[in-house]
Amino acid sequence: NAGVTQTPKFRVLKTGQSMTLLCAQDMNHEYMYWYRQDPGMGLRLIHYSVGEGTTAKGEVPDGYNVSRLKKQNFLLGLESAAPSQTSVYFCASSYPRGTQSYEQYFGPGTRLTVT
Amino acid sequence: DAKTTQPTSMDCAEGRAANLPCNHSTISGNEYVYWYRQIHSQGPQYIIHGLKNNETNEMASLIITEDRKSSTLILPHATLRDTAVYYCIAGTHTGTASKLTFGTGTRLQVTL
Repeated sequence: NAGVTQTPKFRVLKTGQSMTLLCAQDMNHEYMYWYRQDPGMGLRLIHYSVGEGTTAKGEVPDGYNVSRLKKQNFLLGLESAAPSQTSVYFCASSYPRGTQSYEQYFGPGTRLTVT
Repeated sequence: DAKTTQPTSMDCAEGRAANLPCNHSTISGNEYVYWYRQIHSQGPQYIIHGLKNNETNEMASLIITEDRKSSTLILPHATLRDTAVYYCIAGTHTGTASKLTFGTGTRLQVTL
């Protein structure tokens, strides 16, 4: 299994440009997440999805849109990139184990710079 | 979710046990304690979690105090590859999603 993969690994955008980050998982996980991590900070949740066709806002959703058309893929879109969106973006997935807690599996990250 | 407090940084000699403390005095009864680590700039890696009983797996042990207001992650024989930022997180699985709130964690430096 490849686990959680992210495409691309690096990207430089100019202010106002748009792009889509792709996250894919091959573990048949139900839940998927997008986080961002700024230098010296912890991760902050942008959006998440509890299943195919469903998405919800996290802690810092402004400026981002997401879609989960297929169970294995979770897309993060930036419609008009701003320098404040320069960050490392991590995708994660998880499977609800029973009715209690469960671990999240993270991808390697996408390093995005907006100039 | 309950807020957690961790020391900013810690050092540990290779081969010794690393004991990483975490305070979560406002944790509620249905919140679990999770530990993740992030090596360099990689994606975080799950280590262990627990509710009120002590837990052990192949990576670490988790000791939770009886009042659940604090916990300690123990790496029994730290190696240089354990150098990372360790995150202690209190969170719940609500049935819709498990949303983890990452703080700034403890930067563990393992030295020779």
